[in-house]
Amino acid sequence: DQQVKQNSPSLSVQEGRISILNCDYTNSMFDYFLWYKKYPAEGPTFLISISSIKDKNEDGRFTVFLNKSAKHLSLHIVPSQPGDSAVYFCYAGGTSYGKLTFGQGTILTVHP
Amino acid sequence: DAGVIQSPRHEVTEMGQEVTLRCKPISGHNSLFWYRQTMMRGLELLIYFNNNVPIDDSGMPEDRFSAKMPNASFSTLKIQPSEPRDSAVYFCASRQGQGWGEQYFGPGTRLTVT
Repeated sequence: DQQVKQNSPSLSVQEGRISILNCDYTNSMFDYFLWYKKYPAEGPTFLISISSIKDKNEDGRFTVFLNKSAKHLSLHIVPSQPGDSAVYFCYAGGTSYGKLTFGQGTILTVHP
Repeated sequence: DAGVIQSPRHEVTEMGQEVTLRCKPISGHNSLFWYRQTMMRGLELLIYFNNNVPIDDSGMPEDRFSAKMPNASFSTLKIQPSEPRDSAVYFCASRQGQGWGEQYFGPGTRLTVT
């Protein structure tokens, strides 16, 4: 049972435009969420997080939005840069629920 | 700090052989995670240690897989006997604390079982 889903396996965006990566979850016990970025031949690196007490968290060009009622979160990258091209993983966990779960990943390609 | 160190970076072995993957977490981190990445299933959590004690091993696929953390600076993931379907990239990650938050990942070990 895939509790965290990233339904878009890939996304292609022009440099300077907005990239929107989406993630849906099914377990209402998840109360914190993280986004990781992964380049080929490297381990994932942390990008940004949000807890369920917030609906938005911003860090520079990166903003994560959380819609708890829809069990949906999204990562916005504005403006997108070619160096943002990577695989992005959504990650969910619960402080009272020990399972830590990654989404399948979305391959983002930013064209110059 | 050197970050999370994993060895070997690449491992090619024949079906039926024992494989041991190694991980050195970041000094001072007391939580350690083993993940497996495949095309079909993405990143899966295999096992999670806190203070060297396994907290959640429900992701370990079957008895052929075992993980140990004999001390705070070393962990192993062993597969015995290995099978071709075990071919994947195995990541180790560590963090400070038991609650939620950023994990620091190693570069991974690419395992190929022929």
